[in-house]
Amino acid sequence: EVQLVESGGGLVQPGGSLRLSCAASGFTFSSYAMQWVRQAPGKGLEYVSAISSNGDTTFYGNSVKGRFTISRDNSKNTLYLQMGSLRAEDTAVYHCARGATVTKSWGQGTLVTVSS
Amino acid sequence: DIVMTQSPDSLAVSLGERATINCKSSQSVLYSSNNKNYLAWYQQKPGQPPKLLIYWASTRESGVPDRFSGSGSGTDFTLTISSLQAEDVAVYYCQQYYSTLPFTFGPGTKVDIK
Repeated sequence: EVQLVESGGGLVQPGGSLRLSCAASGFTFSSYAMQWVRQAPGKGLEYVSAISSNGDTTFYGNSVKGRFTISRDNSKNTLYLQMGSLRAEDTAVYHCARGATVTKSWGQGTLVTVSS
Repeated sequence: DIVMTQSPDSLAVSLGERATINCKSSQSVLYSSNNKNYLAWYQQKPGQPPKLLIYWASTRESGVPDRFSGSGSGTDFTLTISSLQAEDVAVYYCQQYYSTLPFTFGPGTKVDIK
């Protein structure tokens, strides 16, 4: 069974940093591209970032470009999202998901709250 | 980026009745070389991650009840729930995965029971 478990969320002040992790199991992690999708409270889904299976290729949405960095450790079956220069509008539940296109497997998400 | 719009924003349907949700893309998501529409539908219930219902615009994901169907091509698509059940109360999103990233989502349509 595919499992994706996010961690690392919490309350952070504007301008601060946070690193999210996504532990994957139940599939060959190194064979799949991965993505992060976020959802602000009461809002819709926003495609944040994606990374190829070997980590060579990355994508960032315009709203996070230059502030967030996606990475992965295939030896640890873990996906990361390093978030910096955080803003109030980054407050959201961050989901990791398997694949970069149609997404059949999602994690439950981790809540990031940016507030003073 | 391709912009996705959905209509209506919300709808309330009686149990057993049909629910229809529309999705429109700002440019065609039909890939002519394989004649496939790069369009998916997701269902999201409160406190849960999205669940894939349909991909290639009309292919039901394994385990999805056949009361859910997708149709359309090019820029205009429809998700139909043929006979609404109580467990179908959710927000429904369309997503295009055509060409380059980002694979944008529509704003969502909330479905409730009348």
